[in-house]
Amino acid sequence: EVQLVQSGAEVKKPGESLKISCKGSGYTFTTYWIGWVRQMPGKGLEWMGIIYPGNSDTRYSPSFQGQVTISADKSISTAYLLWSSLKASDTAMYYCARHGSTSHDYWGQGTLVTVSS
Amino acid sequence: DIVMTQTPLSSPVTLGQPASISCRSSQSLVHSDGNTYLSWLHQRPGQPPRLLIYKISNRFSGVPDRFSGSGAGTDFTLKISRVEAEDVGVYYCMQATQFPRTFGQGTKVEIK
Repeated sequence: EVQLVQSGAEVKKPGESLKISCKGSGYTFTTYWIGWVRQMPGKGLEWMGIIYPGNSDTRYSPSFQGQVTISADKSISTAYLLWSSLKASDTAMYYCARHGSTSHDYWGQGTLVTVSS
Repeated sequence: DIVMTQTPLSSPVTLGQPASISCRSSQSLVHSDGNTYLSWLHQRPGQPPRLLIYKISNRFSGVPDRFSGSGAGTDFTLKISRVEAEDVGVYYCMQATQFPRTFGQGTKVEIK
């Protein structure tokens, strides 16, 4: 069974750094892209970027380029989303989602990030 | 980026009646490989999204056959033949033809 399990909710202050994780299981981690999607409170889905763990090829949406870093450690089947300096506007639910040959087919449960002074 | 536009943004429906959602892309979603990577996802309140339909009209594993997708090029439609209570939530179209992937704004389906 394909599963994506994300790290737990975070409460941070503006300016702090943060790394959240997404661990894949039930499939060959290195042969599927994994993407990250933001959902701000009460809003729709925003595609942030994606990584291919097999060779670390990474693509970002222009809206998120330079704002976050996506990485993966294939030895532990885990993808990451990293902020170096959080802002209040980063408060949102973040989902990881596997990208099969046609679409994002399996999704993590989400990680709620709250940034507040 | 490809812009995805959904209509309507809200759809009150009666249980057992059909529902339809439209999605239009700002440019053709036909990939150079000949496929059209248009998907539909459903998000129930408090839940992550789940894939319903991929490549315009293919139902994902476990999706009931009351859901169907159609369309071509830049215009696509999701239909629910008979709405059930579990179908409430927000529906999103998404294009996977080019990077960056992009979603429609979402259509909220609620029971009248």
